[in-house]
Amino acid sequence: GAGVSQSPSNKVTEKGKDVELRCDPISGHTALYWYRQSLGQGLEFLIYFQGNSAPDKSGLPSDRFSAERTGGSVSTLTIQRTQQEDSAVYLCASSPMGGKADTQYFGPGTRLTVL
Amino acid sequence: KQEVTQIPAALSVPEGENLVLNCSFTDSAIYNLQWFRQDPGKGLTSLLLIQSSQREQTSGRLNASLDKSSGRSTLYIAASQPGDSATYLCAVRESGSRLTFGEGTQLTVNP
Repeated sequence: GAGVSQSPSNKVTEKGKDVELRCDPISGHTALYWYRQSLGQGLEFLIYFQGNSAPDKSGLPSDRFSAERTGGSVSTLTIQRTQQEDSAVYLCASSPMGGKADTQYFGPGTRLTVL
Repeated sequence: KQEVTQIPAALSVPEGENLVLNCSFTDSAIYNLQWFRQDPGKGLTSLLLIQSSQREQTSGRLNASLDKSSGRSTLYIAASQPGDSATYLCAVRESGSRLTFGEGTQLTVNP
């Protein structure tokens, strides 16, 4: 079946603008994760959704970052008042149950460039 | 705070060589360790997942080992091919939901 999809694949925006990044997880997967990969740095965890539970937001770098997951499926990561340091590849992943033994399946990412 | 380190940062080998990529982590209280492959401009592909109770996992020409007590894992690639060229990432999962990643090893296999 289809894997994790993300849109847009590339986004260029001006400093101070808001952006929305979308993730469509694999159908039936209850867990969804957002990560950020910045140039010269490793992948950083941002936020985790599991079913109807409150999300784990502990990785969000500032209150300009927020995410929603509607109907337990599609997720949107919103960055308000973007800054140049927000430039990165934003990766979404999903897993069947979110359990500790689960493999996380990653999407192709959205490359965000803030000018 | 968990820290994951991968050595070397980059590796270039001729086709056909066997090679080893190294990953170390500072906190041994992990649930599992996962090796991923990332091709330029693309997402991550899971290669092998080793549970904390396991010592190794094999898939084709790939073999990953885990020594949890010493905080180390290796990814062994046999008979390397140009198509193996990519960045290889290891990640550990702890008690929470997140994966903590190393910065990766960029592998180039030359024909």
